[in-house]
Amino acid sequence: DTGVSQDPRHKITKRGQNVTFRCDPISEHNRLYWYRQTLGQGPEFLTYFQNEAQLEKSRLLSDRFSAERPKGSFSTLEIQRTEQGDSAMYLCASSLAGGYSGNTIYFGEGSWLTVV
Amino acid sequence: DQQVKQNSPSLSVQEGRISILNCDYTNSMFDYFLWYKKYPAEGPTFLISISSIKDKNEDGRFTVFLNKSAKHLSLHIVPSQPGDSAVYFCAASDSNSGYALNFGKGTSLLVTP
Repeated sequence: DTGVSQDPRHKITKRGQNVTFRCDPISEHNRLYWYRQTLGQGPEFLTYFQNEAQLEKSRLLSDRFSAERPKGSFSTLEIQRTEQGDSAMYLCASSLAGGYSGNTIYFGEGSWLTVV
Repeated sequence: DQQVKQNSPSLSVQEGRISILNCDYTNSMFDYFLWYKKYPAEGPTFLISISSIKDKNEDGRFTVFLNKSAKHLSLHIVPSQPGDSAVYFCAASDSNSGYALNFGKGTSLLVTP
């Protein structure tokens, strides 16, 4: 399978705990994105990396959220001190750089987070 | 502010007929538009895209039409099949100011036999 891979697929955590999600993008893609989706909404942009550099962050990404892509390959998204409002599907996506085709992003299957 | 709007939350179509899903946008700087299909508990799957220099793009049963003056695009599925039943998201980007996609809230399509 050469698509975007996310782990874990599901996570249930108690409020106040930290959680970390991992994403492995399509191997030749140098752009990596994190989105969040809640029920009844479309995906909302969180942050974007080109190689290892984090180039864009949404205002949705509070200081409890941190994303890294240390070697320009896989990425992690950590949520500290989780709150019930963090319950959502966290989607990772990747794309190639350059031209309009760089704006065609391919999503993974998502990581469901439930904060109880 | 919702810059991409899908005003129909749901649509029901008979198998074999045409499905037309609509999308409106407010940001005139958007220059690339995409449609994604999503099944429950899965990530969105890319379907078809169109750049602002075109007004139509076709891929098999799927055709996207772009009307820039009206800031409107539509996805046509002909003929519709039961396996097309899913939520369809319209997305748009401004390639000159970052790479975030702006999504609509989706339209749930049900294709009945």
